[in-house]
Amino acid sequence: AQRVTQPEKLLSVFKGAPVELKCNYSYSGSPELFWYVQYSRQRLQLLLRHISRESIKGFTADLNKGETSFHLKKPFAQEEDSAMYYCALKGGSYIPTFGRGTSLIVHP
Amino acid sequence: DAGVTQSPTHLIKTRGQHVTLRCSPISGHKSVSWYQQVLGQGPQFIFQYYEKEERGRGNFPDRFSARQFPNYSSELNVNALLLGDSALYLCASSLEVNYGYTFGSGTRLTVV
Repeated sequence: AQRVTQPEKLLSVFKGAPVELKCNYSYSGSPELFWYVQYSRQRLQLLLRHISRESIKGFTADLNKGETSFHLKKPFAQEEDSAMYYCALKGGSYIPTFGRGTSLIVHP
Repeated sequence: DAGVTQSPTHLIKTRGQHVTLRCSPISGHKSVSWYQQVLGQGPQFIFQYYEKEERGRGNFPDRFSARQFPNYSSELNVNALLLGDSALYLCASSLEVNYGYTFGSGTRLTVV
């Protein structure tokens, strides 16, 4: 079975502060991990995937197989980063399992 | 390209009724997946279709069914609606089953 845990329902920071959105997973094989983002009144969209090893909108995420984590990080939060963030895992079935999401609020 | 389109955007149904939700994938995308998102939770997988065949099914009762047409569009049907079926139903398409998803805006279903 595959499972994704996002322990924080809400994360509140001030503009310019570092951000770390936590994601832990449970999967026996080699997973493919994603972060999706949903801005207010917009559709869910892919932010980044671990195999791309890219930085999108200043966000990065590193897969740590030892700790089974895929935390999303940004050194300096911006107000426009306020959104719902979902971590997702794809196992052998190619069907993503989503976490419950973390609401990020960036205060001015 | 209009992206993934879903219809209707909002729907109100009475308990016991049935509902059909529709999804048109991005042109060229062969895989369509359906998710249910209840308020305060992440999307829960319902079905995945690829080339008109069911490739995966989540932990949902048999009241939920779906199909994919030759043009790759898809329908999600829910029979004997319950209050607990009230949710946002998301459709996502991908080029192949192992590619990233593009989501539609969803259909907000309210069962009263």
